[in-house]
Amino acid sequence: SAVISQKPSRDICQRGTSLTIQCQVDSQVTMMFWYRQQPGQSLTLIATANQGSEATYESGFVIDKFPISRPNLTFSTLTVSNMSPEDSSIYLCSVRGSGGIYEQYFGPGTRLTVT
Amino acid sequence: RKEVEQDPGPFNVPEGATVAFNCTYSNSASQSFFWYRQDCRKEPKLLMSVYSSGNEDGRFTAQLNRASQYISLLIRDSKLSDSATYLCVVKGTGFQKLVFGTGTRLLVSP
Repeated sequence: SAVISQKPSRDICQRGTSLTIQCQVDSQVTMMFWYRQQPGQSLTLIATANQGSEATYESGFVIDKFPISRPNLTFSTLTVSNMSPEDSSIYLCSVRGSGGIYEQYFGPGTRLTVT
Repeated sequence: RKEVEQDPGPFNVPEGATVAFNCTYSNSASQSFFWYRQDCRKEPKLLMSVYSSGNEDGRFTAQLNRASQYISLLIRDSKLSDSATYLCVVKGTGFQKLVFGTGTRLLVSP
């Protein structure tokens, strides 16, 4: 499986500010995804990061709030914009390779607290 | 109805016990199924894929029942290190989207 790193691992931010999370993979991957896991909850897909084009967002998530970039096959960023305490969550990058049957692997996550 | 449903537990079992979790899914067209393990404050890690014929990996056995739309995970000879939350994952509707259950918590005690 791919080795996935995320930066920062955690942050505490003030409401109204924005945070950009980086996801780096050690090999080229077909698909990259961004998930959110709120305390005590399971994972919710935010969007699929598409290389060279706009991300595909799930219902309830919009580009203005969660802009995503994917300039190449190994890197993506997620920005959480104009943060509020409700954005406090763990944000996880996930990748799926060119092989396998939809097996996905996750980065270590970014733990965000908004005060 | 949720797309993927799991009993949240917790399942409290002694070391050496056998424990089984079930998960039901609503989309009969689902094609791919997985079990992930998530430790506290860590990312989910793929435990095993679930194939139509069932599959076994050491102490872990996964089964798929398409007719009843459920998958199961059996853990034999439980270890303390098996304590974690087990997530049932199904490839849901829409293009290549995975749907996660809320997880079943397992606590193995000495």
